[in-house]
Amino acid sequence: GNSVTQMEGPVTLSEEAFLTINCTYTATGYPSLFWYVQYPGEGLQLLLKATKADDKGSNKGFEATYRKETTSFHLEKGSVQVSDSAVYFCALRASGGSYIPTFGRGTSLIVHP
Amino acid sequence: DVKVTQSSRYLVKRTGEKVFLECVQDMDHENMFWYRQDPGLGLRLIYFSYDVKMKEKGDIPEGYSVSREKKERFSLILESASTNQTSMYLCASQGSTDTQYFGPGTRLTVL
Repeated sequence: GNSVTQMEGPVTLSEEAFLTINCTYTATGYPSLFWYVQYPGEGLQLLLKATKADDKGSNKGFEATYRKETTSFHLEKGSVQVSDSAVYFCALRASGGSYIPTFGRGTSLIVHP
Repeated sequence: DVKVTQSSRYLVKRTGEKVFLECVQDMDHENMFWYRQDPGLGLRLIYFSYDVKMKEKGDIPEGYSVSREKKERFSLILESASTNQTSMYLCASQGSTDTQYFGPGTRLTVL
């Protein structure tokens, strides 16, 4: 079946540090890939997505590139802020068939001033 | 913007009570979902619905039921609440795109 594996957190960084959160997936065909973010006390919201190999999703300074050869979709940001502290979820939607997404377990990011 | 609202942000119930969690979306989406979120376990799908009066079990449906009488409203029902159902409950809706839109969540405590 489909699965998403994220690095375990928490990831703790100082403000302006470089961020990478690893995400790898298992799925047949060409799934769509997503990063969702959950700020404290809120539901999840879409951060970025990519729908085909080599696509780069970007939003709010975050980027992730769909790498079919390594089945990865790592999230990066060049300079994090305290306001980026949140839980980040990687997810996929398999191509064809079910529209139900598969989520990773989430990675907590804590950014200190 | 899509808006998904949930009836309560916090709820405290007693063991054995019947609990209703309501979710409403305003974008005419066909698909709606109920998840629970627990530390270390991420999101787990309880039930989903792809049309009015249609429902499908997710990964952990035991102890829960759902109702979708109108397109915009999807209710999660705990027939007899138990302490192991203490959790954060998230509702989501999804239209023709792949993106899910989430409500703010209901933190349910069962004493």
